[in-house]
Amino acid sequence: GAGVSQSPRYKVTKRGQDVTLRCDPISSHATLYWYQQALGQGPEFLTYFNYEAQPDKSGLPSDRFSAERPEGSISTLTIQRTEQRDSAMYRCASSLVPGYNEQFFGPGTRLTVL
Amino acid sequence: GIQVEQSPPDLILQEGANSTLRCNFSDSVNNLQWFHQNPWGQLINLFYIPSGTKQNGRLSATTVATERYSLLYISSSQTTDSGVYFCAVERMDSSYKLIFGSGTRLLVRP
Repeated sequence: GAGVSQSPRYKVTKRGQDVTLRCDPISSHATLYWYQQALGQGPEFLTYFNYEAQPDKSGLPSDRFSAERPEGSISTLTIQRTEQRDSAMYRCASSLVPGYNEQFFGPGTRLTVL
Repeated sequence: GIQVEQSPPDLILQEGANSTLRCNFSDSVNNLQWFHQNPWGQLINLFYIPSGTKQNGRLSATTVATERYSLLYISSSQTTDSGVYFCAVERMDSSYKLIFGSGTRLLVRP
């Protein structure tokens, strides 16, 4: 697509439920990133993909968080057994290739865990 | 890890005024980007500027990589410039992730 899209834009869930967030990157971009942004702070890196490979998962806060990009295009971020501290804006970005390249961000998914 | 510090943390301007936002970083970088997060939460790319100077309308940016800082200039500010301005860097270690500063919150009053 012309830009990075994410869905849903807003998600409210109850503690303990699983949620899955979706990202559709710019179509020509090989690299896709996930970031988490707490209220009043800058985004923080979670993980990234180069095509379907996931070279860096170092930012995922716990094993409840996982991401995949099975065909090298659309990606999903799944949070299992959500906790209130998971409430945040989840942002996806993409770039043409990894490194030395501008990253373009989607509109984000605002997750609220009650 | 690399530290990214932005100043000032908060800024209030009267419409039409000029301002300079600063970003200091503690290590060599491959990539530096400036973003504007508008009041609706969208993160908008302003500049990709690992070094040198760029201009786009009323905005311009300069990065002096050897001295590890970048400046964002806003001239003739408008109320639509309100929001949070983030600087983000990619460290020169092939980690590829962007490290964000804590932002400058700008309010432009009519």
